[in-house]
Amino acid sequence: ETGVTQSPTHLIKTRGQQVTLRCSSQSGHNTVSWYQQALGQGPQFIFQYYREEENGRGNFPPRFSGLQFPNYSSELNVNALELDDSALYLCASSLGQSNSPLHFGNGTRLTVT
Amino acid sequence: QKEVEQDPGPLSVPEGAIVSLNCTYSNSAFQYFMWYRQYSRKGPELLMYTYSSGNKEDGRFTAQVDKSSKYISLFIRDSQPSDSATYLCAMSATARNKLIFGTGTLLAVQP
Repeated sequence: ETGVTQSPTHLIKTRGQQVTLRCSSQSGHNTVSWYQQALGQGPQFIFQYYREEENGRGNFPPRFSGLQFPNYSSELNVNALELDDSALYLCASSLGQSNSPLHFGNGTRLTVT
Repeated sequence: QKEVEQDPGPLSVPEGAIVSLNCTYSNSAFQYFMWYRQYSRKGPELLMYTYSSGNKEDGRFTAQVDKSSKYISLFIRDSQPSDSATYLCAMSATARNKLIFGTGTLLAVQP
């Protein structure tokens, strides 16, 4: 058990809709990252939050946004969903210190039709 | 060219075999190297975490990093059917930086 919980586990949305995915990290894990994993591929970095501020972003458009809350929970929001957004979305957290690796949740499987 | 290259497999071995999984990379700034195991419909599970070059052993698993060749390996001794999963290598330049993953190697250990 990594202590990282994601909800929901599965979600089906229609193109153009908006979606919010949620993540709950272990107490004390002040760094949270979100990754997108397409079928048959490795996870790709979307963005990272450290102490509630965005602290790095991958090659994803602005319609991907996030929030981190003081209670170690976080959200990933995606607007104007496209078919290519269908993927497994992974949340990962760490202590944010040197030599503190990322621990992943089991992800949310998003299908856009 | 991708920053991290990993043979997608699939790799099929008999139970008890020694498994060797490898990744190459192009960014010499990478200092942190990880191996994750991912079962179907699950998130990646951290197996090994290594800083800079050298070897690290944990039970049946050994991770090797050769920064001069930009090459990392994971060895699994006495492989078991429960080791059947996708193995992902990942690396980053700093402890807080984004991870760059390989595409993953699908391993099947046959009983």
